[in-house]
Amino acid sequence: DSGVTQTPKHLITATGQRVTLRCSPRSGDLSVYWYQQSLDQGLQFLIQYYNGEERAKGNILERFSAQQFPDLHSELNLSSLELGDSALYFCASSDRTGGIAGANVLTFGAGSRLTVL
Amino acid sequence: GNSVTQMEGPVTLSEEAFLTINCTYTATGYPSLFWYVQYPGEGLQLLLKATKADDKGSNKGFEATYRKETTSFHLEKGSVQVSDSAVYFCALSDTKSTFGDGTTLTVKP
Repeated sequence: DSGVTQTPKHLITATGQRVTLRCSPRSGDLSVYWYQQSLDQGLQFLIQYYNGEERAKGNILERFSAQQFPDLHSELNLSSLELGDSALYFCASSDRTGGIAGANVLTFGAGSRLTVL
Repeated sequence: GNSVTQMEGPVTLSEEAFLTINCTYTATGYPSLFWYVQYPGEGLQLLLKATKADDKGSNKGFEATYRKETTSFHLEKGSVQVSDSAVYFCALSDTKSTFGDGTTLTVKP
């Protein structure tokens, strides 16, 4: 157990629907990162939050949004789902804000597997 | 922007063979470098890291040396086991922890 909790583990839904993925970071970690892992595109960075504030944005679609709450858990909202959104969504946490200075080690959750039919 | 390029896979080896997975990076400044491993059905976990030039990270028989002159961080293991079968990701530490595309390793008995 890495200490990063993601729910649900598996989710099957239909095109056009909306889902919410939840992540609780490891105790003491203030940063939360979201990644999408699909077979043909590897691990794609979506977005990072630090202590409730957005810190970095990657290749996140406008149909996707995220937030980090005061208790530091984070939610990733995916709307108007398309078949191509089927993927594993990983949350990771760290105790740093990021940045090149210092070794920013990420602790990953087990992932949420989304299947869009 | 920063980037990480990994040796393309998949890689298939026999047990006890020598493993090298190449990784090169492009970054401004001097990032920290990492190898993460993803076992089937699991999330990524840190395998080893190096924070400055010429540092060697090591763990579970795996090693990688931070080479600034060649901007590389190649992963090596002298004798692989079936249990090493996994996907290996090279990464660097910047604002978004940039990852390579991953290399799938299969070790056959």
